[in-house]
Amino acid sequence: SQTIHQWPATLVQPVGSPLSLECTVEGTSNPNLYWYRQAAGRGLQLLFYSVGIGQISSEVPQNLSASRPQDRQFILSSKKLLLSDSGFYLCARQTTGNTEAFFGQGTRLTVV
Amino acid sequence: AQKVTQAQTEISVVEKEDVTLDCVYETRDTTYYLFWYKQPPSGELVFLIRRNSFDEQNEISGRYSWNFQKSTSSFNFTITASQVVDSAVYFCALSEAQGYSTLTFGKGTMLLVSP
Repeated sequence: SQTIHQWPATLVQPVGSPLSLECTVEGTSNPNLYWYRQAAGRGLQLLFYSVGIGQISSEVPQNLSASRPQDRQFILSSKKLLLSDSGFYLCARQTTGNTEAFFGQGTRLTVV
Repeated sequence: AQKVTQAQTEISVVEKEDVTLDCVYETRDTTYYLFWYKQPPSGELVFLIRRNSFDEQNEISGRYSWNFQKSTSSFNFTITASQVVDSAVYFCALSEAQGYSTLTFGKGTMLLVSP
């Protein structure tokens, strides 16, 4: 089966602290990987996507960055968190373009 | 640019009622894909259906059915005989056939089914 692991599930961080959220995928090779954020109001916003190792595309300029050091690993980072970074972060994968995306269980980040 | 509109922010029904969730989309592409996802209180998005723009046949899966009408750019979702477990936020999404096929989501409709 194809599984997405995200951790941690919940995180409370002070303003100005760094962030590292990890997403790993099992059961598939060379997936397209995505980071989405869901802020208050429930809409999902695409932050980054990656079609391969070291290939990152950013959809929205902001305080965050992403990296893909391995085929099945996708990391979301920040050097200094802002209050506005609070939200629910979801990692997703697609086997190829246009197939359905499958999501991890998400990380709920609260910046205080 | 793509856009997905879910005009219904929140819907409340009583168990066993039928309910339809609306989705209207905008795209310049002639080939595209439409999706519905369910987000229960746990937060994880659960894939429900994928439909390509060339297939306008309605689809039924148990108590779920989907009505795709290209002429009105709509992809509506109906739950028949709703149950409490159907309570969730439902998202409609759109992706292009070209490029990296990122999903554009609507803002979601929160469905609350009361016993």
